[in-house]
Amino acid sequence: DTAVSQTPKYLVTQMGNDKSIKCEQNLGHDTMYWYKQDSKKFLKIMFSYNNKELIINETVPNRFSPKSPDKAHLNLHINSLELGDSAVYFCASSLPSGGDTQYFGPGTRLTVL
Amino acid sequence: GDSVTQMEGPVTLSEEAFLTINCTYTATGYPSLFWYVQYPGEGLQLLLKATKADDKGSNKGFEATYRKETTSFHLEKGSVQVSDSAVYFCALTLGGGSYIPTFGRGTSLIVHP
Repeated sequence: DTAVSQTPKYLVTQMGNDKSIKCEQNLGHDTMYWYKQDSKKFLKIMFSYNNKELIINETVPNRFSPKSPDKAHLNLHINSLELGDSAVYFCASSLPSGGDTQYFGPGTRLTVL
Repeated sequence: GDSVTQMEGPVTLSEEAFLTINCTYTATGYPSLFWYVQYPGEGLQLLLKATKADDKGSNKGFEATYRKETTSFHLEKGSVQVSDSAVYFCALTLGGGSYIPTFGRGTSLIVHP
């Protein structure tokens, strides 16, 4: 059973397009996250979301928006894609307490041409 | 603000060598500390963690001890294998309602046969 799954695994698209990445977790966690990992493996948190609160990293452009249809899903929508958006995007989930582990999905490699 | 500093990589070792990856942190409270590992083409997964001072986390032959006096959580393994080649991330989370983790920049480990 996959705990955190993402689709698609690879996404190649043209500049200016709009795309979405889907994430689902079956761990019963209340909190989900989106991370961006650049080519140097640096991990940057983009959003943290539970059913009560959305916390946005203020450096994330508003072209990026999380959408959560229910507690088990947190999708990432990206409008007007730019070359600099090329990266690997990871979804993760956890319990909303400080000592708890993050469970990561396998990642989506986005390439913007 | 809170931060995690890891030694820069890549760290290159021969099989059966001793491994140390240094990690130090700054935090306003009493953090929980984590090591995550990312194998090529995969998402991050928890390697070990410690939630209070002097605790030792261990898994798969890796160990790290939470040292409050030196604000450190160094990762060690006595004899590395080629299969340990991966990127290792040190991270912290704080309690008290703040559960969003702070990650280090990651350290790449390459183990040669």
